[in-house]
Amino acid sequence: EIVLTQSPGTLSLSPGERATLSCRASQSVSSSFLAWYQQKPGQAPRLLIYGTSSRATGIADRFRGSGSGTDFTLTISRLEPEDFAVYYCQQYGRSQTFGQGTKVEIK
Amino acid sequence: QVQVVQSGAEVKKPGASVKVSCKASGYSFGSYPITWVRQAPGQGLEWMGWISVHSDDTNDAQHLQGRVTLTIDPSTRTVYMELRSLRSDDAAVYYCARGGGISALDYWGQGTLVTVSS
Repeated sequence: EIVLTQSPGTLSLSPGERATLSCRASQSVSSSFLAWYQQKPGQAPRLLIYGTSSRATGIADRFRGSGSGTDFTLTISRLEPEDFAVYYCQQYGRSQTFGQGTKVEIK
Repeated sequence: QVQVVQSGAEVKKPGASVKVSCKASGYSFGSYPITWVRQAPGQGLEWMGWISVHSDDTNDAQHLQGRVTLTIDPSTRTVYMELRSLRSDDAAVYYCARGGGISALDYWGQGTLVTVSS
């Protein structure tokens, strides 16, 4: 099973700042099968990025995914108030796993 | 528009089974798998398994030790997740989502709270 480790666990930032979230895999992941999700309290997760760098429908261009092999990154260029949430990376394919999440909180 | 609607909250005793339904609409039902994910209180997302609507092929997480069964009723566009031999640590919100296999999870149900208590 591929283990995904996200860092940091919590990111404390102010609106307008840049957020950089990391997702490291225990073995190489196909870049076609790496996704990022956003989850707010009491809500279902929402797909942000699939295939490492493709934005899902309706996702703002301040969200950018990048990476390859075992190291992947989600960058939020300028945090908006609605971006404070928990973010999960996921590797998918026949078997899937999620990272443990990074909470982006208001500083 | 694409919609994924799940059945309501359940309360079960340890050792019992629970069956949660997931009804999809607004797209070609056979074109996408359905995946199940759960989230224990205050915890992260845990992948449980997925089922191909097209071929009935399934794949479920090893840590569930064969306790989960995914089935489809194409006539009602509904997918079911049954979890047997419930334990207290199975208490969680259970989500279904469109996608799985080579597809990311792009539409999610609202979640179903399963409580396990004697």
